[in-house]
Amino acid sequence: QQPVQSPQAVILREGEDAVINCSSSKALYSVHWYRQKHGEAPVFLMILLKGGEQKGHEKISASFNEKKQQSSLYLTASQLSYSGTYFCGTEQSDAGGTSYGKLTFGQGTILTVHP
Amino acid sequence: EAGVAQSPRYKIIEKRQSVAFWCNPISGHATLYWYQQILGQGPKLLIQFQNNGVVDDSQLPKDRFSAERLKGVDSTLKIQPAKLEDSAVYLCASSRGPRYNEQFFGPGTRLTVL
Repeated sequence: QQPVQSPQAVILREGEDAVINCSSSKALYSVHWYRQKHGEAPVFLMILLKGGEQKGHEKISASFNEKKQQSSLYLTASQLSYSGTYFCGTEQSDAGGTSYGKLTFGQGTILTVHP
Repeated sequence: EAGVAQSPRYKIIEKRQSVAFWCNPISGHATLYWYQQILGQGPKLLIQFQNNGVVDDSQLPKDRFSAERLKGVDSTLKIQPAKLEDSAVYLCASSRGPRYNEQFFGPGTRLTVL
């Protein structure tokens, strides 16, 4: 089931902050965040695992509320280079309670940073 | 290290024709993914390989799409016959393993079906 991202779009001035949310109706093993610039491939930002472990870029921060099946990506002191579409990908268990790491991506949040 | 390679980058075909896409993952990456990304949407997983075995193809339209990963390295995705709704970017990605690992995406193949 596809996770829901909010907001759909956000416009910032350089230096401003933003929060992008990702919500699932299914229990999650992990949440992955990617950024995609126009015409380019998605680029990895962060993985958040059950139990609190995180892997990703130092300048990116995010949270994962396992009980609510929600994740938030925090973009602080935004730069022009932050512009792009942000996708969360969620890893859910299958009907048998296992996972092979399949990610289901949300519809994306378009972030535009202006000078 | 070299990234994920894909070819061709662009392809235009008529509906009912066939097309094939090729992907060469990062060396040593056991897991390979094919995604379909329709304009304005997030990537949708079509098939996931672990070495040369399929671990998930639940969203692959098997009546027209097929994929293989011979010898656990390169992979080919084929569409036969193509429909108008197949117009999309086809992304190949690879990772060291199937879970909790960063996926590295290739540049994609933009397919237009007329």
